[in-house]
Formats: sequence, structure tokens, C-alpha cells
Amino acid sequence: QVHLVQSGAEVKEPGSSARVSCKVSGGTFSTYVINWLRQAPGQRLEWMGGIIPAFRAPTYAQNFQGRLTITADESTGTAYMDLSSLTSEDSAVYFCARGYGNYGNSWFDPWGQGTQVTVSS
Amino acid sequence: ETVLTQSPGTLSLSPGERATLSCRASPSVTNTYLAWYQERPGQAPRLLIYDTSTRAAGVPDRFSGSGSGTDFTLTISRLEPEDFAMYYCQQYGTAPGTFGQGTKVEIK
Repeated sequence: QVHLVQSGAEVKEPGSSARVSCKVSGGTFSTYVINWLRQAPGQRLEWMGGIIPAFRAPTYAQNFQGRLTITADESTGTAYMDLSSLTSEDSAVYFCARGYGNYGNSWFDPWGQGTQVTVSS
Repeated sequence: ETVLTQSPGTLSLSPGERATLSCRASPSVTNTYLAWYQERPGQAPRLLIYDTSTRAAGVPDRFSGSGSGTDFTLTISRLEPEDFAMYYCQQYGTAPGTFGQGTKVEIK
């Protein structure tokens, strides 16, 4: 059974970067589509991007192009999401999830527990 | 972009009652590529239904999904205490995939 465990909550200053990790256990990590989504207060869930670790070529939603970097370490079965130039609008709960389909056009199962990122001075 | 509108915003029911949640799409969803998720406070979202009506592994059969085109429904036949939660629909037929704003099922 696949299980995703994310890193803990972070508080970041505006203009800085945030990194969230997602440790995957069970199954074959390299072949999974690992996606990142977020939910800001009062906003809908939003797909940010994804990666197949074996291919090492991430795909990003247009809204995050240039600010988002998704990587994966096959040796540890861990995926990473790095978001730069943070503003208060990036304060949200960030989720990793395995996707079934074509990156953002997928259903997602399972999900990580979520990581709160708060951007505040 | 496909906009999903869920109704009602909040559903107040008692354990044992039937819950009917609606998800309306504009424009229509391609190939019935619609999923439903349950989210309890402090927990990861849980996939319930994909491809409109296929239950995910381990999901009780009191959960069922139906619909096509622009109108989709999640039905919980008899509410159990653990079913009081937030529910989201998601379409993945047209890029970008999008989510509804959610329906909260609360104890009456």
C-alpha cells in the first residue's frame, strides 16, 4: 500500500522560498506520477505540477511557471516542491498526491497529510 | 477552464439519513472524468469515487456516484458518524483539472 508523508509546517518571510518534502513508501516510486496541489484559505484546491521520478522532467501549471521547481530523489523515495518569491497569497496547505492520468488531468490517490506554509513578515 | 459548482454549501443531516450532494459543471465534463473526495479536519483528502461512479478501494458501498455531462451526484445512503466531513468534486477530463468549492456535511 502506497503511503505519502510530508514535512512539517513552515513560516516564511515574503520574497523567500519554501521547500516541502513528500516521502513515499510502498510500491515503485520511480514509476509514480507524484503531484503537488494546494488549498489557500477560502480558495479551491489547485493543481500545481507533477513529476515521474524515473523521467526527471516535471510538468507545471501555467500559474506557477518560473516560480515552482519539483524534483524527486529515487534513492530515498522522496519528492520535493520548491516555491520561490513567496507572497501572502502563497499561504496555503500544500499536498502531494499520486496521480492516475496525465498530471493535472488525473484523479489523485493517496494524498499526503498536508503541509501548512504561512508567509508572513 | 471547467468550473464546478457544488451544492448545497452545507448539508445538515442526522446519522442514518441519506445525503445527496450535487456537482454542476460548466462546460460539460469530458468522458465522465469526475472524482469525489472526502476531507476530514486534520486529515489527508481521501478518494471516494473516480470515473463518475467507480468506488475507490476500501470505500464502503453506502457511497455511490452518478451523472454525466454537466450534472453529477454523490449519494451517501445512510450516514455514519465518520461521514460528517467536507466533500469535493474534481473533473480531470479537460485541462486544467479543476475542483469544486466543497460541500460540508454536518450533524444536525
